[in-house]
Amino acid sequence: DIQMTQSPPSLSASLGDKVTITCQASQNINKYIAWYQQKPGKAPRQLIRYTSTLVSGTPSRFSGSGSGRDYSFSISNVESEDIASYYCLQYDNLPYTFGAGTKLELK
Amino acid sequence: EIQLQESGPGLVKPSQSLSLTCSVTGYTITSGYDWSWIRKFPGNKMEWMGYISYSGSTNYNPSLKSRISITRDTSKNQFFLQLNSVTTEDTATYYCARESGPFDYWGQGVMVTVSS
Repeated sequence: DIQMTQSPPSLSASLGDKVTITCQASQNINKYIAWYQQKPGKAPRQLIRYTSTLVSGTPSRFSGSGSGRDYSFSISNVESEDIASYYCLQYDNLPYTFGAGTKLELK
Repeated sequence: EIQLQESGPGLVKPSQSLSLTCSVTGYTITSGYDWSWIRKFPGNKMEWMGYISYSGSTNYNPSLKSRISITRDTSKNQFFLQLNSVTTEDTATYYCARESGPFDYWGQGVMVTVSS
């Protein structure tokens, strides 16, 4: 199985900050990484697929980049509605595997 | 609008089987895509469990392969999860989702507790 090492586990930010989350895969995943937002009691919401493609409805303050084993996800200008947990997912190889998640909180 | 909705018992006894249903509206599951089960444990770890494809083929996470079965009822546009010989470690919130490179539509999730 491909292991996805996501960091940091938690993040504290002020409104308007830029934050970055990283995921490192245990092998090359050929840019097949997606990023999800999850709020308590809700289903995960896909924000980005294939490293950097914003899914319809995703605000432009969200972005993704990377290649090979190393990927990052950023939120520029954090808004209150961005307070949530974020997960990466590799879908290059079965079994699909998720990162451990990052909880974004307001400072 | 595509919607998925999980249903099933919220409490299962150890050693018994966990059975869940995912009802899909707004899209016919035989038209395309893979239809997955995913779970989120109390510690927030998420695990892809397996899928049934639009053609009826299945693929399971090797970590569950001996205990899991995913089937469907095309007349009702539903697919099902059966997980056998459950233990307390199977306590989780279970989601069904459509996999379209990757998961785009999800159900709201159903919490299942394994306890005597």
